[in-house]
Amino acid sequence: EPEVTQTPSHQVTQMGQEVILRCVPISNHLYFYWYRQILGQKVEFLVSFYNNEISEKSEIFDDQFSVERPDGSNFTLKIRSTKLEDSAMYFCASTQDRLTDTQYFGPGTRLTVL
Amino acid sequence: SQQGEEDPQALSIQEGENATMNCSYKTSINNLQWYRQNSGRGLVHLILIRSNEREKHSGRLRVTLDTSKKSSSLLITASRAADTASYFCATLRGSTLGRLYFGRGTQLTVWP
Repeated sequence: EPEVTQTPSHQVTQMGQEVILRCVPISNHLYFYWYRQILGQKVEFLVSFYNNEISEKSEIFDDQFSVERPDGSNFTLKIRSTKLEDSAMYFCASTQDRLTDTQYFGPGTRLTVL
Repeated sequence: SQQGEEDPQALSIQEGENATMNCSYKTSINNLQWYRQNSGRGLVHLILIRSNEREKHSGRLRVTLDTSKKSSSLLITASRAADTASYFCATLRGSTLGRLYFGRGTQLTVWP
């Protein structure tokens, strides 16, 4: 069964460093998402992406964040200058139809900012 | 802002018993999805129920949706120790661009 994959599974970085989290969505899906979950808290939406542009972003997704689909398979989340409070599990998700279909989530990348 | 809210926050049962978790939300929805998360791991999709559906089954899972009460329930029958996990509901609003709103989840513990 097709699945969303994410790399790395765990990333440790120093405050102020840039990180890039990578995702490979399911191949025939058209809508892509990033969510995050701070330890012990609920999953929060960051951004949605369709047709090579951002379709919606939350208040969390400020200028430090950017997303890109550099080729036909990868979907990346970049954090330019990490802060301690960016430490969280980051999930990528994809779906074929944003209104009717399931969003399938990847296994997540645990980001630790020291 | 609209958010799913699950109750109970924690549920502890014996193997073989049924587990019922509830979810409430505040605005109209397009669909509601239930996910499972093992400790520190990814989100596994369990079941999706659309706003025009009232009940759905998948194996040992039964989901109901009451749009008049803005609530949903997830029933796991004949629970197993392997069902121990956190369970989240996530709602998709009618006017959304696909953003899911998650609740805080129910931590289910099934004792062997």
